[in-house]
Amino acid sequence: AQSVTQPDIHITVSEGASLELRCNYSYGATPYLFWYVQSPGQGLQLLLKYFSGDTLVQGIKGFEAEFKRSQSSFNLRKPSVHWSDAAEYFCAVEAGGGNKLTFGTGTQLKVEL
Amino acid sequence: EAQVTQNPRYLITVTGKKLTVTCSQNMNHEYMSWYRQDPGLGLRQIYYSMNVEVTDKGDVPEGYKVSRKEKRNFPLILESPSPNQTSLYFCASRRGGGETQYFGPGTRLLVL
Repeated sequence: AQSVTQPDIHITVSEGASLELRCNYSYGATPYLFWYVQSPGQGLQLLLKYFSGDTLVQGIKGFEAEFKRSQSSFNLRKPSVHWSDAAEYFCAVEAGGGNKLTFGTGTQLKVEL
Repeated sequence: EAQVTQNPRYLITVTGKKLTVTCSQNMNHEYMSWYRQDPGLGLRQIYYSMNVEVTDKGDVPEGYKVSRKEKRNFPLILESPSPNQTSLYFCASRRGGGETQYFGPGTRLLVL
């Protein structure tokens, strides 16, 4: 069975600082990996996804993530955080091709001005 | 406009009173899912469907039923709601495996 761990429940960064949100997964083969963002009171929006090819993927809003098979990780990064990035971020894993998705417990990002 | 709609958006009910939350998508997507979101637990998949008349259990299916009689609709049924089903529920759809999932606006349910 697949699983996802987001070890950081809360993260606070200053506006303009860099950001890295951690995600570790467990799955027997190469999974499909996703990062979603949820702004307060909103639904979820896809930031980026990975399932093959280049291990560094670019997403919307200036986010990127790197797939590292050896570490079973898919960390999300942004070089310079904006106040509007304050939200909750979810990593998710899919066992290839099906519709069974497992989400992490989320990381709440706070941005200090 | 491409969207996933859910109704109702807010619902207060009492233990044991059957309820249905509707979900509809207008993107002709094959895959649909229901999730519940609880503080500290993230999103957990309740049921999912990969086609009409094809549904399967997710991680937390107990106490819920679904049906997929038409491609666009995927209602979530709580036959006998209990207080531990108080949660925020999201319906989602996507074209297929590995594709972007589109979420509905959510339904906040309180079971007294």
